[in-house]
Amino acid sequence: DAMVIQNPRYQVTQFGKPVTLSCSQTLNHNVMYWYQQKSSQAPKLLFHYYDKDFNNEADTPDNFQSRRPNTSFCFLDIRSPGLGDAAMYLCATSSFLWGASHITGNIQYFGAGTRLSVL
Amino acid sequence: GENVEQHPSTLSVQEGDSAVIKCTYSDSASNYFPWYKQELGKRPQLIIDIRSNVGEKKDQRIAVTLNKTAKHFSLHITETQPEDSAVYFCAAREGTGGFKTIFGAGTRLFVKA
Repeated sequence: DAMVIQNPRYQVTQFGKPVTLSCSQTLNHNVMYWYQQKSSQAPKLLFHYYDKDFNNEADTPDNFQSRRPNTSFCFLDIRSPGLGDAAMYLCATSSFLWGASHITGNIQYFGAGTRLSVL
Repeated sequence: GENVEQHPSTLSVQEGDSAVIKCTYSDSASNYFPWYKQELGKRPQLIIDIRSNVGEKKDQRIAVTLNKTAKHFSLHITETQPEDSAVYFCAAREGTGGFKTIFGAGTRLFVKA
């Protein structure tokens, strides 16, 4: 059973037209991540939430925003997609326990991804 | 912050041979090192991981070694099979109590039948 679910799997949008990608999880994990992955490259972290605390990577463009209304859901909003934003967007979750991180680690569970095309 | 370097970028082996992928990291406080396998168009899948209090871990044909002093870790796949062909990413979790996992650039493994 899928534990991290991303919708849609494929998204086509027009240049400059806002788009929202969604991620939901059934694992009750307290950390959720959004990654951008372009062809033949490593996943690049855009931002993450620890509970409701939002952490933006320094090089994440302002064009990318995120919302986490509750534990289970997280959204990626691209306000004005450009051609360079065409990529696979991966959501991931992990369970982070303060003081126990050395034991439990930070295993990330990835969703299947949303492939975004910008026309 | 953490920086992870991975080599080689491409690796081609004959079926049945072993494959070794090497990574180095920069943050001596990093304490968790996962390896992911990603097939074309699919999500990264965790295949093995190692924590900093362990030097080696094995799971069937896959093993990972960690040298904390030298700050490098390696993935070893023995008796390779065509279905092992994929992109493999090493990663390191920042050891400053943060949540970030930094990925290496990836190794594309081809196993020739």
